Amino acid sequence: GIQVEQSPPDLILQEGANSTLRCNFSDSVNNLQWFHQNPWGQLINLFYIPSGTKQNGRLSATTVATERYSLLYISSSQTTDSGVYFCAVLDTGGFKTIFGAGTRLFVKA
Amino acid sequence: NAGVTQTPKFRVLKTGQSMTLLCAQDMNHEYMYWYRQDPGMGLRLIHYSVGEGTTAKGEVPDGYNVSRLKKQNFLLGLESAAPSQTSVYFCASSWDRREPQHFGDGTRLSIL
Repeated sequence: GIQVEQSPPDLILQEGANSTLRCNFSDSVNNLQWFHQNPWGQLINLFYIPSGTKQNGRLSATTVATERYSLLYISSSQTTDSGVYFCAVLDTGGFKTIFGAGTRLFVKA
Repeated sequence: NAGVTQTPKFRVLKTGQSMTLLCAQDMNHEYMYWYRQDPGMGLRLIHYSVGEGTTAKGEVPDGYNVSRLKKQNFLLGLESAAPSQTSVYFCASSWDRREPQHFGDGTRLSIL
């Protein structure tokens, strides 16, 4: 089956810093989503981005489907950005969404 | 608008007991999913449904059963709970398999 790898596994930032999270996938995908799991365990859908670039406030994401990767950019990080960021892909022709292991982010005040 | 609601939020079971987790969505979504999340890992798909009356196996279906008798509800059952099923369970729904999934807040299940 399709493999999803996220990097880095852990990241510590000073408040105000910028960061880039990466998601690599091993095969063609139908869609790609980025999620934020906050410290209370809630999963928030950040982007639905099978290809191209999207921006939402301080966050933006780019997916290059032909090269099988997606990037999530966080600018001017805030302590509320802390949590785990997951990338999830839907394999072509299938119904199964596969999640990466996540990037755990801690933003220090 | 409640979105996706999971009940219960917490539960402790003894090995061998059975229980049912309920997921309800009010967005008229066709697709519904059950995932489990273990420490330090991403979510893994247990079962999913593409519409009322349908169910299908995901990545890790063993030890679980599901039913979708009504479009808005998706039930996850554990017939004989095992300690390996201790996990956080998430339900999600979407319009279509390619559309964004909306998640409930999770059910934390411990099996002793």
